[in-house]
Amino acid sequence: AQSVTQPDIHITVSEGASLELRCNYSYGATPYLFWYVQSPGQGLQLLLKYFSGDTLVQGIKGFEAEFKRSQSSFNLRKPSVHWSDAAEYFCAVGTHGSSNTGKLIFGQGTTLQVKP
Amino acid sequence: EPEVTQTPSHQVTQMGQEVILRCVPISNHLYFYWYRQILGQKVEFLVSFYNNEISEKSEIFDDQFSVERPDGSNFTLKIRSTKLEDSAMYFCASLRGGQETQYFGPGTRLLVL
Repeated sequence: AQSVTQPDIHITVSEGASLELRCNYSYGATPYLFWYVQSPGQGLQLLLKYFSGDTLVQGIKGFEAEFKRSQSSFNLRKPSVHWSDAAEYFCAVGTHGSSNTGKLIFGQGTTLQVKP
Repeated sequence: EPEVTQTPSHQVTQMGQEVILRCVPISNHLYFYWYRQILGQKVEFLVSFYNNEISEKSEIFDDQFSVERPDGSNFTLKIRSTKLEDSAMYFCASLRGGQETQYFGPGTRLLVL
């Protein structure tokens, strides 16, 4: 079955420190992978996506993620966190192919807290 | 930049009442979705809609739920007889197709009392 696991429910980092949010997926084919961010009371904003090609993808706000097929992972990274990065982060796999509808399957989310 | 819009932003209703949540997807998109997020939980897929019909629905999307694209621009989710457990944030999303990005609206927060 298709699924996404984000092992860390809550992460706290100091402002200026580096960040890595983990995401593991289970999908039968080459996945379409996404990271979305949700600020309190807001909708979902796309940070970055992977469809094919270069396994290191760059996104908005200085985020990047690396697709590792051997580890079924798509971890999100940022070299230096800003206080405004405090939010909830969702990893998602997008279903595709002739029998699929493009729906997204989300992980449970990781809440990022940034200490001053 | 084009965006998905949703109305209302908040809705409070009594258990057993019908509610209609409205969405205006991005104009050249072909695939439309509803998701919900119960407070503190993950975002869950409800239904996808393509070519004027439901293409996939989850177990959550039972007979109490229906979707419609009445006029070529709006995309609605109707809950016929709301239950307490329907309280959630409901997100609409649209997708042009293929290797494209699914864009989400800001959500409608539904509270069933």
